[in-house]
This record gives sequence, C-alpha cells and structure tokens, in this order.
Amino acid sequence: EAQVTQNPRYLITVTGKKLTVTCSQNMNHEYMSWYRQDPGLGLRQIYYSMNVEVTDKGDVPEGYKVSRKEKRNFPLILESPSPNQTSLYFCASSLALGRGGYGYTFGSGTRLTVV
Amino acid sequence: ELKVEQNPLFLSMQEGKNYTIYCNYSTTSDRLYWYRQDPGKSLESLFVLLSNGAVKQEGRLMASLDTKARLSTLHITAAVHDLSATYFCAVVTGANSKLTFGKGITLSVRP
Repeated sequence: EAQVTQNPRYLITVTGKKLTVTCSQNMNHEYMSWYRQDPGLGLRQIYYSMNVEVTDKGDVPEGYKVSRKEKRNFPLILESPSPNQTSLYFCASSLALGRGGYGYTFGSGTRLTVV
Repeated sequence: ELKVEQNPLFLSMQEGKNYTIYCNYSTTSDRLYWYRQDPGKSLESLFVLLSNGAVKQEGRLMASLDTKARLSTLHITAAVHDLSATYFCAVVTGANSKLTFGKGITLSVRP
C-alpha cells in the first residue's frame, strides 16, 4: 500500500533529551516535507527536501534538523527539545509538488509533548 | 510573504442546507489544493485545482478557482453530518514549489 509512515505516533519526552521522529515513504517520491500543526496557527512548514541530499528551511526551522540520505527517509531531529515544540507533526511526500497536479500525501502524524 | 486566508474559521451548518467557504491568497498561483482533516487524524486530499476557472466536484462538495481574484471557493450542497471536519486550502508558490496552508475552516453540521 502506498503510504507515508511516521513513528512514533505519540511521544512524551523531557526538555533537552534528543529525539528523532522517523518518516518513510514507499512511493519513490522526490519531495518530502515536515509540518507542525498548532491550534489557531494551522500547518507551518519546518523543513523540506526536493531530493536526496537537498534540504531547505521552511517557515519555522528553529530547533529542528533534518537529513535526506536516502530517497525514502526524511527524519526530523530535535537536538534539545523544549516545551514550545509540543505539537502535532506531519510528514508529507509528493512525486512532484505543484507540477502535473501532484499534491502531498500525509503521514498519520506524531503527537509530541515536551515537559 | 504569501498569506492564505480562509473564512470563516468556524461554520455551524444545518443539515440539508447549502453553504460556501472561501480561500483567499495574496500572491500569484495557479495551483491550489483542498484537504480535509477529521479530529485527531491526518490530512486527506480532496481537490487539486490547476488553472483559472478550474472546477472539481466530488459528492456534495464542489471547488473552484479564480486565479485573477486569487480566490477559491468550496461549495457544500445539502450538508450532512459526515461533512463535519476541518477543511484546509493550500497554495503552491515559488521556484521550490512551496505549499502554504490556510488556518483551516472547521465545519460542524447539526441536525
């Protein structure tokens, strides 16, 4: 089944403890992105990647890192999480965003709580 | 900076009635997407609108795009409870094809 898989679905952690949220897609998509969703703020892009080894900042990149060593994987790394990073995170992928009408396929989301 | 505005942010709908919700954006784009999100769930793609005048329909929902007015509308015909959800529009812009979302409109259908 074509999908974007995020893990974990839920995570409670403490301030400062490094964590990684994994994202994997099985559709051979070039374009991958991370968004966070907060009440009243909608979805805001954290980082995106247009292909392997090509990543760039979105609108709210502070406190996050990403890597794209393989086409299928795009992990989100929080080196030193803080409570303001408590949010619902979505990974998304696209074959060719904006071209030919290709949109994003979203993962199921990761609800992160930092205490 | 691109702004994508949706209004209203919350709409209480009566079953069986028709409604229209709006998505305005501030910069040139001819590619707009509508997504649906149920509480606690992921986003599901509803429509992709690729050109001025594009109209797509699926069941009780019809979406259209006016690129000159920078406006997309989502028309709901004879609302039913199953349509209760949050609806996001998103616009593609820029050389990197960035996708920017509005804040979403939460629809609630009451009997």
